[in-house]
Amino acid sequence: RKEVEQDPGPFNVPEGATVAFNCTYSNSASQSFFWYRQDCRKEPKLLMSVYSSGNEDGRFTAQLNRASQYISLLIRDSKLSDSATYLCVVNEAGNQFYFGTGTSLTVIP
Amino acid sequence: DGGITQSPKYLFRKEGQNVTLSCEQNLNHDAMYWYRQDPGQGLRLIYYSQIVNDFQKGDIAEGYSVSREKKESFPLTVTSAQKNPTAFYLCASSREDRGVYNEQFFGPGTRLTVL
Repeated sequence: RKEVEQDPGPFNVPEGATVAFNCTYSNSASQSFFWYRQDCRKEPKLLMSVYSSGNEDGRFTAQLNRASQYISLLIRDSKLSDSATYLCVVNEAGNQFYFGTGTSLTVIP
Repeated sequence: DGGITQSPKYLFRKEGQNVTLSCEQNLNHDAMYWYRQDPGQGLRLIYYSQIVNDFQKGDIAEGYSVSREKKESFPLTVTSAQKNPTAFYLCASSREDRGVYNEQFFGPGTRLTVL
């Protein structure tokens, strides 16, 4: 069983749409949660950390559901520049980080 | 500017040769990591180090070696024993805060191609 699972997509959405990604994790002792963005042939970059109370950064909202062991990312008013692969990352007790395989998003004009 | 650097950006190697990838960070982070990414796949952990002079194997350590002689540096050697070394290699670092590891910062990566 994989530590972190994501729907690989691809998600193709029109500009201005709202899109949501989910990610599940297997270890209930996981401590930290993150969403990263990775552009083609580039390194992953932190999009946002995910807190138990949920958090929002502009058009992006992240939620954590510890009881069901999933993390979500909501993108509102999609822009062409949002096209990328979104990686769900979980840090378990200790210092290993586990990555989902990523969800591909293409925003269409 | 604080950050994490990797060199070279592109590397070509003949079969049977060892090659070393550089990773340096000036973020004062204790933990450093090496990942491999293959096309259309997620990141897989090769090695990680929590402290100078100590490192641990990740999920795919066979055919690789590392050293951590300085806090700032964590070079990765891809040996001839690695059967399929062509991949995108990413180095990362993170800060530890009372036993919890904060987000990772990544270098720009090295694309290794074996000819």
